[in-house]
Amino acid sequence: GENVEQHPSTLSVQEGDSAVIKCTYSDSASNYFPWYKQELGKRPQLIIDIRSNVGEKKDQRIAVTLNKTAKHFSLHITETQPEDSAVYFCAASYNNDMRFGAGTRLTVKP
Amino acid sequence: DAGVIQSPRHEVTEMGQEVTLRCKPISGHNSLFWYRQTMMRGLELLIYFNNNVPIDDSGMPEDRFSAKMPNASFSTLKIQPSEPRDSAVYFCASSRPTDIAKQFFGPGTRLTVL
Repeated sequence: GENVEQHPSTLSVQEGDSAVIKCTYSDSASNYFPWYKQELGKRPQLIIDIRSNVGEKKDQRIAVTLNKTAKHFSLHITETQPEDSAVYFCAASYNNDMRFGAGTRLTVKP
Repeated sequence: DAGVIQSPRHEVTEMGQEVTLRCKPISGHNSLFWYRQTMMRGLELLIYFNNNVPIDDSGMPEDRFSAKMPNASFSTLKIQPSEPRDSAVYFCASSRPTDIAKQFFGPGTRLTVL
């Protein structure tokens, strides 16, 4: 089955700096890669996703890149703000079977 | 449009008791997923339904866990008998037929088994 690894487990940046979170997956059949943001005590919320036929996608300060050959994908947050502080999860999915990474706790210091 | 609805939001019970968690997917969504989240194991897919039919229950930890979806707008996850190690947050998620992979999560049920 699919195995998703996520790094780093914790990340602390200064407000205004960029943050990068990286994930690798094992199943080359995976074709959908969402990123979720989870604030303390809240539900995971989808913030951006990418499909295997696309190499990069951007939405304002958030971008995701996908390297199918190397089986890794990354989340990039630019101009970070304190409200970006949360746990971020990557996931890889094939045929509705979604596997999540262990999460990255991002702290943005004002 | 209301999101995924889960009840109860919090449940505290004693070991050995039966626990039933409830989920109402977003209207028009025909896929429903049950997840469990713990510090140790992260987010785990337990089971998912497509058009009310269970498709993959390989994530269900053991026979004490069962899930049903009697109609398109309601699903239950039952634990009988419950054990302290079942303590976790249980999330339900749903997705639409045109984009099954894109899942929207409910607020979760925080279960504590004493």
